Amino acid sequence: EIQLQESGPGLVKPSQSLSLTCSVTGYTITSGYDWSWIRKFPGNKMEWMGYISNSGSTNYNPSLKIRISITRDTSKNQFFLQLNSVTTEDTATYYCARYTYYGYNYFDYWGQGVMVTVSS
Amino acid sequence: DIQMTQSPSSLPASLGERVTISCRASQGISNNLNWYQQKPDGTIKPLIYYTSNLQSGVPSRFSGSGSGTDYSLTISSLEPEDFAMYYCQQDASFPFTFGSGTKLEIK
Repeated sequence: EIQLQESGPGLVKPSQSLSLTCSVTGYTITSGYDWSWIRKFPGNKMEWMGYISNSGSTNYNPSLKIRISITRDTSKNQFFLQLNSVTTEDTATYYCARYTYYGYNYFDYWGQGVMVTVSS
Repeated sequence: DIQMTQSPSSLPASLGERVTISCRASQGISNNLNWYQQKPDGTIKPLIYYTSNLQSGVPSRFSGSGSGTDYSLTISSLEPEDFAMYYCQQDASFPFTFGSGTKLEIK
């Protein structure tokens, strides 16, 4: 069974960097699919942040492009989110998800989410 | 970016009732429209992909339809476990965007 699990600090200070890990079990991230980060803000708005492909290429939401980096560690079957210069507006629940494009395109597996608060 | 306008934002309904949630895109998205359910514990799962295809394991009381810019999710007869948040999402073009969500509540 494919599972995704987010981890990382629940509290980040303004102007610092937010760093999260998504650990994937049941599937090797280099074998296929794209691996995304999505966040849900208080008030329910959801935002796709970007993905890293199975080959290691990345695609980011232009609204975040200067602050975001998605990388991976293939030996650990993990991918990572780094968001720089955070503000209180980055307070959200962060999800990692697998994006399938074999036949149809959608997010077919999600992590349970990790809440991150940006506050001094 | 393609804007997704989802309505209603809140939907009080009763067990056994038929409900419909709508999603309108700011431009045509050629059926590249997916629906997700978020439970109160935060877990998110796909329900419908490419407008009308039921995700494996999702009950047949869920259905999707639409074309062009207008799409909808229908639940034919509400069960207790259906009271949750619902989101539409387009992947016709980058960046992928979501609707603002519909909270399905017990009346």
